[in-house]
Amino acid sequence: GAGVSQSPRYKVAKRGQDVALRCDPISGHVSLFWYQQALGQGPEFLTYFQNEAQLDKSGLPSDRFFAERPEGSVSTLKIQRTQQEDSAVYLCASKSMEKGNQPQHFGDGTRLSIL
Amino acid sequence: ELKVEQNPLFLSMQEGKNYTIYCNYSTTSDRLYWYRQDPGKSLESLFVLLSNGAVKQEGRLMASLDTKARLSTLHITAAVHDLSATYFCAVDFDMDSNYQLIWGAGTKLIIKP
Repeated sequence: GAGVSQSPRYKVAKRGQDVALRCDPISGHVSLFWYQQALGQGPEFLTYFQNEAQLDKSGLPSDRFFAERPEGSVSTLKIQRTQQEDSAVYLCASKSMEKGNQPQHFGDGTRLSIL
Repeated sequence: ELKVEQNPLFLSMQEGKNYTIYCNYSTTSDRLYWYRQDPGKSLESLFVLLSNGAVKQEGRLMASLDTKARLSTLHITAAVHDLSATYFCAVDFDMDSNYQLIWGAGTKLIIKP
């Protein structure tokens, strides 16, 4: 596709369940980012991949959060034992090169609600 | 601490008026991005500002960057309803890695007919 694709668009889970969120970046984009966006706030950085390598996971809020990009294209963000505070919109973005001045291109996000 | 502050956070204005949104940041950077977000939608890139004095314009929007003052502005000229959205600035503080952006809280802009 032409843009960044995320699925599902909406996810409702009970507290304690595990969830997996998928991101399909723009074809050929080297860099992939995950963000968490709370209502009325700007995105907050979670983690960054360059191809299949996870170069920065400093923004992951706890060890319940795990991200992977095994073949350097599609990425999955997994949240284990979900808590209510995990409710947010999770955004994925990709960028064509590791460095350079291009902006990040965002998907529509996955809105996660934990009951 | 790396901080990006936008003001105002909320702005309601009449069509046809001019206004400016401000983005201040805490530490030296010469790479700043403006994005637009409609409710329930993705973030859309508007401008990339890469050097002191950079000015870019697209339609009724104009963005500028003053790296010495650590300030960027997004100016709206003769506002129209279609420009209603939330506008974010994001600053790249890490030149070497060039990947971690710090985001402002956003300015929610409502333009009334």
